[in-house]
Amino acid sequence: EPEVTQTPSHQVTQMGQEVILRCVPISNHLYFYWYRQILGQKVEFLVSFYNNEISEKSEIFDDQFSVERPDGSNFTLKIRSTKLEDSAMYFCASRGSGQGYEQFFGPGTRLTVL
Amino acid sequence: AQSVTQLDSHVSVSEGTPVLLRCNYSSSYSPSLFWYVQHPNKGLQLLLKYTSAATLVKGINGFEAEFKKSETSFHLTKPSAHMSDAAEYFCVVNTFYGNQFYFGTGTSLTVIP
Repeated sequence: EPEVTQTPSHQVTQMGQEVILRCVPISNHLYFYWYRQILGQKVEFLVSFYNNEISEKSEIFDDQFSVERPDGSNFTLKIRSTKLEDSAMYFCASRGSGQGYEQFFGPGTRLTVL
Repeated sequence: AQSVTQLDSHVSVSEGTPVLLRCNYSSSYSPSLFWYVQHPNKGLQLLLKYTSAATLVKGINGFEAEFKKSETSFHLTKPSAHMSDAAEYFCVVNTFYGNQFYFGTGTSLTVIP
């Protein structure tokens, strides 16, 4: 069964450093998403991506964040200068087109900013 | 505007007793609704979804949910809880042709042996 994969599973970084979180969506999916979940809190939408551009983004997704689909298979989330409050689990998701197509989630990357 | 309210942050049931996790939604359009489960240190797994077909939806692991438009609800039920059901459950709404999915705050289910 196809699945969304994410690497690394755990990333530890120093405050102010750049991190890139990687995702490989399901191959025939067209919509891609990033979410984050701070420990003990709800899942928060960050950004959605379709047709090689951002289609929607939340208030959390400020200039420190960017997304890219560099090679037609990977979907990356970059945080330019990490802050302590960026520590969270980051989930990638993808889905096919049309109403009712559910999102398929990856296992997540736990980001720890020290 | 679209939103989801999960009415209980924590639910505790005894093994073998029924489970009810409540979800109310707000949507300007015909919604699609989903329940996801998250086991500790795991990703999100789809339990079931409603997409304007039958209002009673059956999912995996014996879970069901009923879409009630008049009550704007999509409550998740299971007749008999199992220890393995202990997890976090999220109700999610997606509007018709919408690209964004709105998550509820989650309900933590504890199953007491």
